[in-house]
Amino acid sequence: DAGVTQSPTHLIKTRGQQVTLRCSPISGHKSVSWYQQVLGQGPQFIFQYYEKEERGRGNFPDRFSARQFPNYSSELNVNALLLGDSALYLCASSLEGVRGRNSPLHFGNGTRLTVT
Amino acid sequence: SQKIEQNSEALNIQEGKTATLTCNYTNYSPAYLQWYRQDPGRGPVFLLLIRENEKEKRKERLKVTFDTTLKQSLFHITASQPADSATYLCALAQSGGSYIPTFGRGTSLIVHP
Repeated sequence: DAGVTQSPTHLIKTRGQQVTLRCSPISGHKSVSWYQQVLGQGPQFIFQYYEKEERGRGNFPDRFSARQFPNYSSELNVNALLLGDSALYLCASSLEGVRGRNSPLHFGNGTRLTVT
Repeated sequence: SQKIEQNSEALNIQEGKTATLTCNYTNYSPAYLQWYRQDPGRGPVFLLLIRENEKEKRKERLKVTFDTTLKQSLFHITASQPADSATYLCALAQSGGSYIPTFGRGTSLIVHP
């Protein structure tokens, strides 16, 4: 079975540009979460979607937005890129949403975004 | 403020020994705690989940303890192998509304042959 897939794997953008990252969850998983991981730190929560509805939002500016499609895939958009947005962006899927207490996260291998 | 603390210094141990990693937290009422393994350039991989009313969980060579009085979880790998070398992340889910896991920064484990 395919795991969580993310595209692209690497991306280089210039300050002020916009970027769209894509994620396909494990088949049957209805929840997708996005995390940002800066080198040497743990993943920081950005968004969670369940059944196409936003169920949670982390402490990120409005430049960050996301959506989930009817097939449960998801996109993360970041506008007006800053140097500090350079990070590994991780997508994770799970069977249940935020109230699913027994649902571990299954991560993809991330998109490495470099902003110059 | 809420904090999850994992030792930022790498843990170096000899093959065959037991590795013990620590996760301390403050200002959390955790519903559950999870441990993940992360290899360089890869996403985290789920290892174990332990709930607030459980003291210990085991899976093969892995053991997790959870002490809500000390506000601490210990993660043990027995008979460690060089292939166990990775960064280990703990993640807590706050009870009472949001169950979204918050991650610590992780501890690097290096097992020497």
